[in-house]
Amino acid sequence: KAGVTQTPRYLIKTRGQQVTLSCSPISGHRSVSWYQQTPGQGLQFLFEYFSETQRNKGNFPGRFSGRQFSNSRSEMNVSTLELGDSALYLCASSPAGGGSYNEQFFGPGTRLTVL
Amino acid sequence: ILNVEQSPQSLHVQEGDSTNFTCSFPSSNFYALHWYRWETAKSPEALFVMTLNGDEKKKGRISATLNTKEGYSYLYIKGSQPEDSATYLCAFRSDSNYQLIWGAGTKLIIKP
Repeated sequence: KAGVTQTPRYLIKTRGQQVTLSCSPISGHRSVSWYQQTPGQGLQFLFEYFSETQRNKGNFPGRFSGRQFSNSRSEMNVSTLELGDSALYLCASSPAGGGSYNEQFFGPGTRLTVL
Repeated sequence: ILNVEQSPQSLHVQEGDSTNFTCSFPSSNFYALHWYRWETAKSPEALFVMTLNGDEKKKGRISATLNTKEGYSYLYIKGSQPEDSATYLCAFRSDSNYQLIWGAGTKLIIKP
């Protein structure tokens, strides 16, 4: 079974631009979560989608948004990029949503650099 | 605000030695505690999902215990090997919103 894939793997943008990151979960998985990881910080939860609905949202500004499609693929969008948005963005999929005990399966991440 | 703390932040261990580290989490609204291993240049991989007070899980040389009443979990590695070098993350899931709250991790370096 193919793992979680994320595209692109690396991205360089300038302040003020917007960016869209993509995540394809493991086949059959319906839950996709997004995380931001910066040096010295733990994984910061952005949001979780399950069956095309956002079920949970972390404490990030409205510039961060996401969506999930009917095939469970998910996209994350960041508008008006700031220098502080430079980070590794990870997505993780699981068979069911947060109310289950399922482990999460992580993708390789997208490294975003904002200049 | 829910907080998950891991200690120590980093650890250097001689190959062959055993080691352990701690994850502290809120003692109320417990739903589950996850442990993950994150090797450099790879993705985080699940080690254990722990759900009951007193749970003990084992996978090879790695084991974990859980105390939900006092809000801590220990991860033990017996006879450390170079391939154990990684950052070990714990994540707490509460029964209020089921969101995973992650600790900052313990970076383990095994010295040959």
